[in-house]
Amino acid sequence: AQKVTQAQTEISVVEKEDVTLDCVYETRDTTYYLFWYKQPPSGELVFLIRRNSFDEQNEISGRYSWNFQKSTSSFNFTITASQVVDSAVYFCALTPASNYQLIWGAGTKLIIKP
Amino acid sequence: ETGVTQTPRHLVMGMTNKKSLKCEQHLGHNAMYWYKQSAKKPLELMFVYSLEERVENNSVPSRFSPECPNSSHLFLHLHTLQPEDSALYLCASSQDIRGGTYTQYFGPGTRLTVL
Repeated sequence: AQKVTQAQTEISVVEKEDVTLDCVYETRDTTYYLFWYKQPPSGELVFLIRRNSFDEQNEISGRYSWNFQKSTSSFNFTITASQVVDSAVYFCALTPASNYQLIWGAGTKLIIKP
Repeated sequence: ETGVTQTPRHLVMGMTNKKSLKCEQHLGHNAMYWYKQSAKKPLELMFVYSLEERVENNSVPSRFSPECPNSSHLFLHLHTLQPEDSALYLCASSQDIRGGTYTQYFGPGTRLTVL
């Protein structure tokens, strides 16, 4: 079975706090790809990162960082020094190499208060 | 224009109307997708086209009719819709569909309301 779980439905923090969004996945494929997308109130899904299953190196891009751990089947996303503009719904997604279809998590709504 | 564009951004229609949603990608991609996003539901993949051929039709009602005249354009023709069809319709494109190796890039969506 293929599944993505984002257990945090909604997170609310004050600006400048660090925040981590959790993503746990299930797949029987040995080769797969993990994604994070951001959906601001405007509606567009903005691609943030893609990671393949053979690359467990953590990634940092500005205030964003991702922690991929195959041992726990997790691909968590951390925003450092959060800003109001980070407020959005964040989706984690999985696609096995055998299929192009994205399996989506339910999303985490992140609210950054000024 | 860059990326993936969608028109109109908002659409209100009656159940007896016929309308079309348009998507255009400026990324040189070969695959295009239609998704439906309803409140409190996961994204639903509706249709997939690769090199203008439909490769996926996920049991979508016939009142939704896709059209892909070329690899840059994708349409969703709507007729006799129901109020439960009200949702955000998102278009996406990717370089190819092979093996999930290609990232899907999304347009801004069309917010559809069926009265």
